[in-house]
Amino acid sequence: KNEVEQSPQNLTAQEGEFITINCSYSVGISALHWLQQHPGGGIVSLFMLSSGKKKHGRLIATINIQEKHSSLHITASHPRDSAVYICAVSGGADGLTFGKGTHLIIQP
Amino acid sequence: EPEVTQTPSHQVTQMGQEVILRCVPISNHLYFYWYRQILGQKVEFLVSFYNNEISEKSEIFDDQFSVERPDGSNFTLKIRSTKLEDSAMYFCASSRDRWLEKLFFGSGTQLSVL
Repeated sequence: KNEVEQSPQNLTAQEGEFITINCSYSVGISALHWLQQHPGGGIVSLFMLSSGKKKHGRLIATINIQEKHSSLHITASHPRDSAVYICAVSGGADGLTFGKGTHLIIQP
Repeated sequence: EPEVTQTPSHQVTQMGQEVILRCVPISNHLYFYWYRQILGQKVEFLVSFYNNEISEKSEIFDDQFSVERPDGSNFTLKIRSTKLEDSAMYFCASSRDRWLEKLFFGSGTQLSVL
């Protein structure tokens, strides 16, 4: 069974800072998802990637398949980026396996 | 952007009662999923559904749970006899492809079992 570890668990930063959230997993996968969960509970898919790098606005996601590691970066962070960011992996026989999430707070 | 819709947003029930959680996936999606999140814990996979049958299920998805696609649009999760530990947020999700496409999540149903 895949183990998904995220770091840090909690992150507080000032508006404008560059943010990095890390994810590592134990078993080879077909894809990795970065998700955003807002305080109300809703989950939004940010990225799905199986190799390389993807960029959407101020968000960048990278994955290194050999090292079983992915990072999510937020440039020019803003208070509205405050949320829980969740890494999840697919490829096994049990749907997505989720990390515990990183609680991000961006202070103005 | 198309949305996955879930109803109800909140459900309160007594232990031992049956509940049905409803979802309308995005219309051209082929894969459907139920996930749950117990308060303060990580999201957990329950079941995936494709071509009108269960394709995968987790250990959590025991005989108390069932899923159905009663018509061309709805996708339901039934819990036959609810237990206190079934209290959680239940998310429905759908995708066009099993592995290579983004998942679209509904906004969730908060189930409280008293």
